[in-house]
Amino acid sequence: DTAVSQTPKYLVTQMGNDKSIKCEQNLGHDTMYWYKQDSKKFLKIMFSYNNKELIINETVPNRFSPKSPDKAHLNLHINSLELGDSAVYFCASSQRGTGDYGYTFGSGTRLTVV
Amino acid sequence: AQSVTQLGSHVSVSEGALVLLRCNYSSSVPPYLFWYVQYPNQGLQLLLKYTSAATLVKGINGFEAEFKKSETSFHLTKPSAHMSDAAEYFCAVSPNNNNDMRFGAGTRLTVKP
Repeated sequence: DTAVSQTPKYLVTQMGNDKSIKCEQNLGHDTMYWYKQDSKKFLKIMFSYNNKELIINETVPNRFSPKSPDKAHLNLHINSLELGDSAVYFCASSQRGTGDYGYTFGSGTRLTVV
Repeated sequence: AQSVTQLGSHVSVSEGALVLLRCNYSSSVPPYLFWYVQYPNQGLQLLLKYTSAATLVKGINGFEAEFKKSETSFHLTKPSAHMSDAAEYFCAVSPNNNNDMRFGAGTRLTVKP
């Protein structure tokens, strides 16, 4: 059973298109995140949701819109894709307040904008 | 704001040699510190974590790290490198219950036969 699953694993699309990446976790965690990893492997947090409520919103273009229909899902929608959006996007989850600190990551979605 | 600095973007060791990956943190409050490993084309996997209990933390795959407050460091070590240890390693810090974890730039470990 996959703990944090992302779909699709690979996404190739043209500039200007709109695309979505889905994330689901079956760990019962109450907090989910989106990270962007660039070509130099640098990881930058984008968004964080706790119990469907947005708690972290870094300086991300408003073309990126997260949506959390329930605490087990956090999707990322990207409008008007640009070349610079090409990266690997990771979803992660954690449980606040239990002492079990640390994130569980999905396997990533490699987005290539051409 | 909390942050971590990983010294050395690339470390190369021979199989069987000591692995030492360096991480220094900056935090105004006692931090929670983590090491993650990323194998090619995979997500990040938690290696170990420091959460203010024992300062020497043992993790998976024979890795361990020591929290040194006086040096603001949390270096990762393994006595004997295996070929399978080749990966990208990330140090991370969280100020409070991992709501806002910040990652270092990563260190790529290469293991030579």
